[in-house]
Amino acid sequence: DAKTTQPPSMDCAEGRAANLPCNHSTISGNEYVYWYRQIHSQGPQYIIHGLKNNETNEMASLIITEDRKSSTLILPHATLRDTAVYYCIVRVNAGGTSYGKLTFGQGTILTVHP
Amino acid sequence: DSGVTQTPKHLITATGQRVTLRCSPRSGDLSVYWYQQSLDQGLQFLIQYYNGEERAKGNILERFSAQQFPDLHSELNLSSLELGDSALYFCASSLSVGTQITDTQYFGPGTRLTVL
Repeated sequence: DAKTTQPPSMDCAEGRAANLPCNHSTISGNEYVYWYRQIHSQGPQYIIHGLKNNETNEMASLIITEDRKSSTLILPHATLRDTAVYYCIVRVNAGGTSYGKLTFGQGTILTVHP
Repeated sequence: DSGVTQTPKHLITATGQRVTLRCSPRSGDLSVYWYQQSLDQGLQFLIQYYNGEERAKGNILERFSAQQFPDLHSELNLSSLELGDSALYFCASSLSVGTQITDTQYFGPGTRLTVL
């Protein structure tokens, strides 16, 4: 699976959009970008994933650049409860020896302040 | 609530002991994954089971073993425990073998293991 690079920490004001970047310059054509977050020591929570088109769900939007070498997770109206570690993960969705495992990096600590 | 349950929530034991962690996947999910999260190593994949069979192995120590039962719940057995085994252990489940587009992994709340 391709390696990802994320800033170690970011701040965001409550009510504003939080834009979390992720670099995955070695991503392969069959690798998807996944985002998870972990609040305190709770289990990681799935947020969104995509291949090359922009994706949106009730939690967030995912913008993937045309060359797929980077992406941005957008939380449109951050709340205090969005304070968490956000993980960007690249994973193959087409078989192979890695199967389904997720490889977590250090993630980005997002702090939402009042 | 992800639908994945793990027991116990907390476990305190001594070095050299053996413990069993239990995981029940979401209804309908066939794959179960185990991850370990320690302060120095971050979240690391240990092992995956799919419909009762071992599917993939990660950084799992020989002192650790797992199995998935016919009802699809899974147990992670940790033996000859060392201080360094203190960590959060998470279980996740997904619908299929793990490589399909529908195979989003949903995580349980974890078991916090403290080895004294």
